[in-house]
Amino acid sequence: AQSVTQPDIHITVSEGASLELRCNYSYGATPYLFWYVQSPGQGLQLLLKYFSGDTLVQGIKGFEAEFKRSQSSFNLRKPSVHWSDAAEYFCAVGAGDTGFQKLVFGTGTRLLVSP
Amino acid sequence: SAVISQKPSRDICQRGTSLTIQCQVDSQVTMMFWYRQQPGQSLTLIATANQGSEATYESGFVIDKFPISRPNLTFSTLTVSNMSPEDSSIYLCSVRNQGDNSPLHFGNGTRLTVT
Repeated sequence: AQSVTQPDIHITVSEGASLELRCNYSYGATPYLFWYVQSPGQGLQLLLKYFSGDTLVQGIKGFEAEFKRSQSSFNLRKPSVHWSDAAEYFCAVGAGDTGFQKLVFGTGTRLLVSP
Repeated sequence: SAVISQKPSRDICQRGTSLTIQCQVDSQVTMMFWYRQQPGQSLTLIATANQGSEATYESGFVIDKFPISRPNLTFSTLTVSNMSPEDSSIYLCSVRNQGDNSPLHFGNGTRLTVT
């Protein structure tokens, strides 16, 4: 069965510093991978996705993620964090026999940004 | 991307009662899903809402507790029946179009508190 692990429950980063959020997945075939962000009281917004091709994908708000098959990882990065980036971040893997039909989510990482 | 509207955005309900949550999309979509996010937890898929037929439920979720309707390609409802405090969660509607590997898009969710 598919699964996603986000090992960091909380991360605190100073504003302007770089950020990396970790995500490891378990899936037998080529995965469809996603990062979503959830601000307090809001739904989920898609940051970026990986389906195939270039393993470094660019997303919105200056985020990027790199797919590393050998490590079963899809870590999210941002070179300079802004206070408005404080939110909950979810990694997800697409599961299904043809393409993907549903998502399995990790437990999330809460990002705190200090001044 | 599709605009997804959920109603109500939040509610406080007494145990033993039922609440129906509506999800309206501004365009026709192939697939609609209902997720639950318990306090401090990640998202768990409840079911896939199928147009014109019974929903497909995930393990641990049953139709008697979470009846779902999907009368057309732009609308679905989820009912939380005979509620208990354990049903206090955020319920999220999500949509995607099958076949083009488009990602899941989410509504802002319904925050339910059961007293």
